[in-house]
Parts: sequence; structure tokens; C-alpha cells
Amino acid sequence: NAGVTQTPKFQVLKTGQSMTLQCAQDMNHNSMYWYRQDPGMGLRLIYYSASEGTTDKGEVPNGYNVSRLNKREFSLRLESAAPSQTSVYFCAGSRPGQAEKLFFGSGTQLSVL
Amino acid sequence: ILNVEQSPQSLHVQEGDSTNFTCSFPSSNFYALHWYRWETAKSPEALFVMTLNGDEKKKGRISATLNTKEGYSYLYIKGSQPEDSATYLCADPGGTSYGKLTFGQGTILTVHP
Repeated sequence: NAGVTQTPKFQVLKTGQSMTLQCAQDMNHNSMYWYRQDPGMGLRLIYYSASEGTTDKGEVPNGYNVSRLNKREFSLRLESAAPSQTSVYFCAGSRPGQAEKLFFGSGTQLSVL
Repeated sequence: ILNVEQSPQSLHVQEGDSTNFTCSFPSSNFYALHWYRWETAKSPEALFVMTLNGDEKKKGRISATLNTKEGYSYLYIKGSQPEDSATYLCADPGGTSYGKLTFGQGTILTVHP
């Protein structure tokens, strides 16, 4: 059982470059989420998908887009990376049968120069 | 944006000590309160999801209580061990049934042998 799998683990971008962070889960999660972790800020929600085919903004959505490709996959795209997007990104999933507790991926460390 | 606060920010204890920390959250429109443990270089892992006022949950030496009327939860660790060293996060889904969580900044626990 792979759980929640994120790729890549590390990435360095130049300002203005674009990239997509991939997330896939095999835990039959209905809902999936993207969070970012910054020092002193705690985990903050970027976007979430309550169910397949739906997406919605979280607390800090500016500069990001998401795609819920199917029930398993939820990707996060940076169209034009900025230094303020340097962060650690976590994908997570949840489902009602497990009290909606989050299962996190291993994280992506992104640096934008 | 919900105001979820944790105290203290950090805590150093000796092996064998018992310790506790606090999470405060908005008491209106309560749905659930989550606790996670986040070890260095790993992903956050769910400890408890608490939904009922007066609820108490236990997992080994770790337990948590919930007071929804006054908007706080305590996490207790009995007989701390070095492997308990981690950041402990609480989170509030803001009245929704999803894992759309607002996290506190966490309490960093260090247990010295």
C-alpha cells in the first residue's frame, strides 16, 4: 500500500518558471488537499477537492491552480513561480469513514530563486 | 480564517516526565478538533479526531480531552520518551465535515534522555 505519494521530493525553480506537483493516493480518499508549510506560519491550505470533479480555494490560493484528474490524483500547478512560493508542500487525503483525518504525503521541498 | 492557537510554542522535558499542552479554537460552530504528531523529516500523522464535548481519547501514553463550550483541548503525554520528541499540531475544520483544516502553529516537544 503506497498511501499518498507526492512527486518530486525536491525542486529548484527560477522565478517565472512553471511546474506541476503530482499527488496520487490509493486509499480511496474522497477528498484531497494541498497545504504549504512555512516557518512560523503553520500548515496553510492552498486548494482542496471535496470530491472527484470539484475543487475549491483554501486560505492561500493565489499563484496556484489545481486539477482533480480522477479520484486518485490531485495536482498543483505553479504557472509562474515566485520566490514567495518557496515552501514545503504537502498533499493529503481524507474520507468520511476515517473521521476525515488527513493522511499526508511525504512533502515536496520547493525553492524558487 | 479561524484562530487556532497552541501553547506553549516549545517544551523541553526529561525522559519519564509527564507533560501537557493546550489548543484553543473558536467555540462557535464546532464540528471537530484534530491532533497530529509531526516528527522531523517525516509527514504529520493523525493522533485523534475529537467531536464530542467532554470526549477523551487515548493512544498508548498519549491522551487528549476536549471542551467545546470553552474552546480548548489538552494533549497529555505520560512518562515522556525521547521518541515522543516531535511537533504536535491541532487543527479545526471550521464547522465543515471535510479535512479543510486550519492548523495551529504547533508545540515543539523535546524529550531529553
